Order: sequence, then structure tokens, then C-alpha cells
Amino acid sequence: SQQGEEDPQALSIQEGENATMNCSYKTSINNLQWYRQNSGRGLVHLILIRSNEREKHSGRLRVTLDTSKKSSSLLITASRAADTASYFCATEVDMRFGAGTRLTVKP
Amino acid sequence: KAGVTQTPRYLIKTRGQQVTLSCSPISGHRSVSWYQQTPGQGLQFLFEYFSETQRNKGNFPGRFSGRQFSNSRSEMNVSTLELGDSALYLCASCPGELNSPLHFGNGTRLTVT
Repeated sequence: SQQGEEDPQALSIQEGENATMNCSYKTSINNLQWYRQNSGRGLVHLILIRSNEREKHSGRLRVTLDTSKKSSSLLITASRAADTASYFCATEVDMRFGAGTRLTVKP
Repeated sequence: KAGVTQTPRYLIKTRGQQVTLSCSPISGHRSVSWYQQTPGQGLQFLFEYFSETQRNKGNFPGRFSGRQFSNSRSEMNVSTLELGDSALYLCASCPGELNSPLHFGNGTRLTVT
């Protein structure tokens, strides 16, 4: 089975709220990556965090990595309706994806 | 730079037929990976090619095959199509080095009737 597993499966919030989704993985890694997918389209790379980094920011995105717990979280602050999408994590070990977190941001 | 290009965008085939999908990676990218996405099974890894060699393979039957050409363009072929092969097929390219993210195309939507 794949390395990365996202949770929750689905998340529904109001515009302006923060959204947090999590990723767990199984083995030691060099990096973990987060991707977004809008319905029916290809995935878009959001952010990569290396194993020696604990936190990384990109605009409204904040990613944390806890290698002792083999987990990562993606925080989207001040969410917008345009953030509605599925979010996936993957590690360089196998670049395989879980089922993703389906985020719905209501206007 | 042009992005990853997948052709065709949509395809309708009949059970038992075969199909070939094409992927043109970003210029300079040597690795091409293929994924199948269905509502029931999610995003599943098919295989990865690097410099014309299959480097990784997922758990798909032999009906699914691929190849990569010297210009890094890749094709995947599905023979003896089944209804369950209906899916969005995504191709992704990357330079092939550690810490390089994947760049995805917008996929080929295959419908098998």
C-alpha cells in the first residue's frame, strides 16, 4: 500500500475559516509533498517539506512535519471558495497517493 | 515552458478494444509516471519510466503497459478493455532527481462502454 494517507476524508468549512488536513506515512522519508486537485483536472504541486524541516510556509499555506510521528499537516488559513478541491500528500519513497481530503469551502 | 500535455483529452472505447494514451512531459524532464483515478479506487500508481526504462510498477494486470521514447515522451496502452478501466488517466513528469515535485497533465478521460 502507499506511503501517504490523508485524513479527514472530507472537510466542509465557511469562507474565512482555517482548514487543517493531516497525512500519515509509514517509513523514513527525505521529503513529503502536498498537492491539490480541482475536479477532473491534474494535480498541482503546492509545497515540499524536507525531512530536516519542521515547518514551511507558502502564502496562506503552512505545512508541518513530525518525523517522530511520521505525520504531516497542511493548514490553509483564511480559506476561500476557490480552495475547494481535493488535497493529497505523497513521499518520495513511492510517490503514491492516498484517497485525499476533499475540502469544501462555502461562500 | 510548456506544461505536461496529454492526448487525447477524452476517449470512448468499447469493451475488448485496446487504447493508447500519450504524454509529452515538460522539456528536460526524464521521468514520467502514470496514474489511474476512479471514484471507487482513488488515485492509483501504474508505472514510472526514467530514461526509457521502467523504474517502478504498480499492481495492475499485464493488460496495462507503457513505454518511453528517447525524447522522454511516453505512451501507455491498455489492451482488452474492461468496463472497470473507465477512469481519468493522469501523467506526471519530473526531472527525476530527489526532492523534485511532480508536474501533472490534465489527464485523459477514458470511458469504456
